[in-house]
Amino acid sequence: ETGVTQTPRHLVMGMTNKKSLKCEQHLGHNAMYWYKQSAKKPLELMFVYSLEERVENNSVPSRFSPECPNSSHLFLHLHTLQPEDSALYLCASSQERTYEQYFGPGTRLTVT
Amino acid sequence: GENVEQHPSTLSVQEGDSAVIKCTYSDSASNYFPWYKQELGKGPQLIIDIRSNVGEKKDQRIAVTLNKTAKHFSLHITETQPEDSAVYFCAASNSQASGGSYIPTFGRGTSLIVHP
Repeated sequence: ETGVTQTPRHLVMGMTNKKSLKCEQHLGHNAMYWYKQSAKKPLELMFVYSLEERVENNSVPSRFSPECPNSSHLFLHLHTLQPEDSALYLCASSQERTYEQYFGPGTRLTVT
Repeated sequence: GENVEQHPSTLSVQEGDSAVIKCTYSDSASNYFPWYKQELGKGPQLIIDIRSNVGEKKDQRIAVTLNKTAKHFSLHITETQPEDSAVYFCAASNSQASGGSYIPTFGRGTSLIVHP
């Protein structure tokens, strides 16, 4: 595998389910990001993990919980989601503070 | 914080024509301006970027221009081809900022449709 991979690619879950999204980067980067992409809206940064810091977008609800066990893996744990959380969730990585972000293909999440 | 406006939201051209997408930004401290292309079912991919110490950069059929005074930058695609059809995003960031402010702020995207 090369680049940034995400699993699953598609996920349908009920509002009472608990699921996790997984991201893995094979680029040797040391910063990883979660973005939410909804139709007709700008990419919304949710979380950042880097050597220097963890950054959270304060508008992200607590039903989204990130986990970064090492510099190559990033998880997004989901619980009691709402229908408005349906979106494409993108993972990205970069070398600390360098400019280029590399994105994975995303997980298409549908909350029923 | 930074605010990035992108226009148009949709752009339809004939194959062979040129396409121009424009973005404006609000933070004069921003110094890095990437452009991403997102094809259906894929994540955004960086196609070209420009730093604030240059005014123009070209890579084959694509070019980006930057006007720091006016705080706007543009993507130019010449001799468009059907495979150029995708959503294009601009972004702006300040690589010297702290507290996560170095992370790019994205525009809303432009859906480019190239008709054969």
